[in-house]
Amino acid sequence: KNEVEQSPQNLTAQEGEFITINCSYSVGISALHWLQQHPGGGIVSLFMLSSGKKKHGRLIATINIQEKHSSLHITASHPRDSAVYICAVSQGNLIFGKGTKLSVKP
Amino acid sequence: GAVVSQHPSWVICKSGTSVKIECRSLDFQATTMFWYRQFPKQSLMLMATSNEGSKATYEQGVEKDKFLINHASLTLSTLTVTSAHPEDSSFYICSAPSWTENYNEQFFGPGTRLTVL
Repeated sequence: KNEVEQSPQNLTAQEGEFITINCSYSVGISALHWLQQHPGGGIVSLFMLSSGKKKHGRLIATINIQEKHSSLHITASHPRDSAVYICAVSQGNLIFGKGTKLSVKP
Repeated sequence: GAVVSQHPSWVICKSGTSVKIECRSLDFQATTMFWYRQFPKQSLMLMATSNEGSKATYEQGVEKDKFLINHASLTLSTLTVTSAHPEDSSFYICSAPSWTENYNEQFFGPGTRLTVL
């Protein structure tokens, strides 16, 4: 079993839809990261969480330490949100999930 | 926020040659940098931890004689793929931690796509 599991693996949405991507982990962590990887491969760090909730624009990330679960929400999705979203947990270095490929159709 | 650069962004080389990839922290110092590899449609995997002034720490299954890491300064780490083979073709990404607010946050380079012919 992978230490970091993401769901769904693939997600197709219509523009404007509310999107949720989930991440569960099985190890002790100091922080959890949500990353965005565009088709060219470059990675952008969206959030780093150790508790609670963070919001940045249309993106919201939550984490429940007791349940070892985090969610990334995108409100009013847009085609430019199309990317692979990766959950990674920090134990000093990072352990990555396999990513969720999101496609938002106009 | 902090910026990490990588050079080159892509490289094509012949089998048997060596390729050097640079990772730089542009506006902060990093005593530690991390090197990752990503094969197509697979998740990122940590290859090694680069430590300024000392030997790198390699993950299990990563050949240290093949993937030479040098962290010669607080802003530069290099990964050299020696005697590259087609199976080394991959996307290589580095990251460096920097303190933001109260957190030690990771900042990623844009990656280097290596194709070995």
